Amino acid sequence: QITLKESGPTLVRPTQTLTLTCTFSGFSLKSDGVGVGWIRQPPGKALDWLGILYWDDSQYYRPSLKTRLTVSWGPAENQSILTLTNADPVDTATYFCVYRRAFGADRPVDSWGPGTVVTVSA
Amino acid sequence: DIQMTQSPSTLSASVGDRVTITCRASQNLNSWLAWYQQKPGKAPKMLIYKASTLESGVPSRFSGSGSGTDFTLTISTLQPDDFATYYCQQYYSSSWTFGQGTKVEI
Repeated sequence: QITLKESGPTLVRPTQTLTLTCTFSGFSLKSDGVGVGWIRQPPGKALDWLGILYWDDSQYYRPSLKTRLTVSWGPAENQSILTLTNADPVDTATYFCVYRRAFGADRPVDSWGPGTVVTVSA
Repeated sequence: DIQMTQSPSTLSASVGDRVTITCRASQNLNSWLAWYQQKPGKAPKMLIYKASTLESGVPSRFSGSGSGTDFTLTISTLQPDDFATYYCQQYYSSSWTFGQGTKVEI
């Protein structure tokens, strides 16, 4: 069974760096094709795709956030880290991590985490 | 970015109605389009992928069609559990994008 869970601070000050961890089980990031991505949703608004990191370290990001956003593997083998620099109140959102079984697969996403709420405010 | 435009933004319907939501892409997606259902406070649930493939466990009253730039999600007979917000998502490009959502309300 595949599970993912997001964790991190609930409040971040403007200009600080927002860092979230996705801890997963049921798959290995060493498996060919595997990807872990991040999607966010501001309160009352639409889903917003952020980026994805694949097993071979290839990364794809939303162009408008590319200079501020990094998705990396965590210190533990079952973790992915999202780092968003220079946080702004518009970054206030629920952040979801997602699992993709294989690059180029018919399904874009195979599993979602429950999401974690982050508020950017002074 | 590929822009995704959903319509309508809000749809008022009754149990038993046939409901259609459309999604238009700013460029050709072939069939690389998915549909999701989201309820308040929950992660989205995928209903359809590759434009018309029903996800396992999703009721057959949901169907997807289209290719290229124009896509449709149809709920054949609306059930009480179907009142939710629906999103389309393109994954043709390496930078994915979502539509702005369609809220189906009573």
